[in-house]
Amino acid sequence: QSMLTQPPSASGTPGQSVTLSCSGGTSNIGSNSVSWFQQVPGTAPKLLIYRNNQRPSGVPDRFSGSKSGTSASLAISGLQSEDEADYHCAAWDGSLSGPVFGGGTKLTVL
Amino acid sequence: EVQLVQSGAEAKKPGESLTISCNSSGHSFKSNWIAWVRQTPGKGLEWMGMIFPDDSDTRYSPSFQGQVTISADMSINTAYLQWSSLKASDTAMYFCARLIGSSGWFDYWGQGTLVTVSS
Repeated sequence: QSMLTQPPSASGTPGQSVTLSCSGGTSNIGSNSVSWFQQVPGTAPKLLIYRNNQRPSGVPDRFSGSKSGTSASLAISGLQSEDEADYHCAAWDGSLSGPVFGGGTKLTVL
Repeated sequence: EVQLVQSGAEAKKPGESLTISCNSSGHSFKSNWIAWVRQTPGKGLEWMGMIFPDDSDTRYSPSFQGQVTISADMSINTAYLQWSSLKASDTAMYFCARLIGSSGWFDYWGQGTLVTVSS
């Protein structure tokens, strides 16, 4: 089961900004960095954010990440129709000695 | 360009064995951890385990220890995930992914292998 908590769904209209949340604990987000993935149904996850707020080459700066304590957030500005996807957070967990994921948030662009 | 290419979809019966593969290119296969991640509609993404091909150091999630075997063949840059006796509950999409560092993040993913176990 997921050890990070994400809301199951979120929505926004084109051009709007949305923020997706990810909540964990002291053994994961509280002591390790967070990454975020975008997954279009039927495809593999794609890395969007690593080390809490770093974007890989090619990821638009409309996507930004932040972390505070045992929670993290992914902000998407200037929402576009192609942003409609599932978004997953992840962090290393010291108790598991492995990564844990959130259950994913399905973002709908209305 | 780093690429992870997985073997195709499988349809199996309970009790059968199965090995799926993940072929890497575009990077130093032996010097990167390769992990396996399960995705099911009900439980989302779950880390199963990982292997460091250079020395075959292999680590498993407690949830999957004893249920699967992870291995690698450096001569063909390929990692494997193996079941000796499949259950219906193993029905899922399985991804391989490259892990940055030993406790970092997944930067490249395979396209996924759908495993269906049904009598």
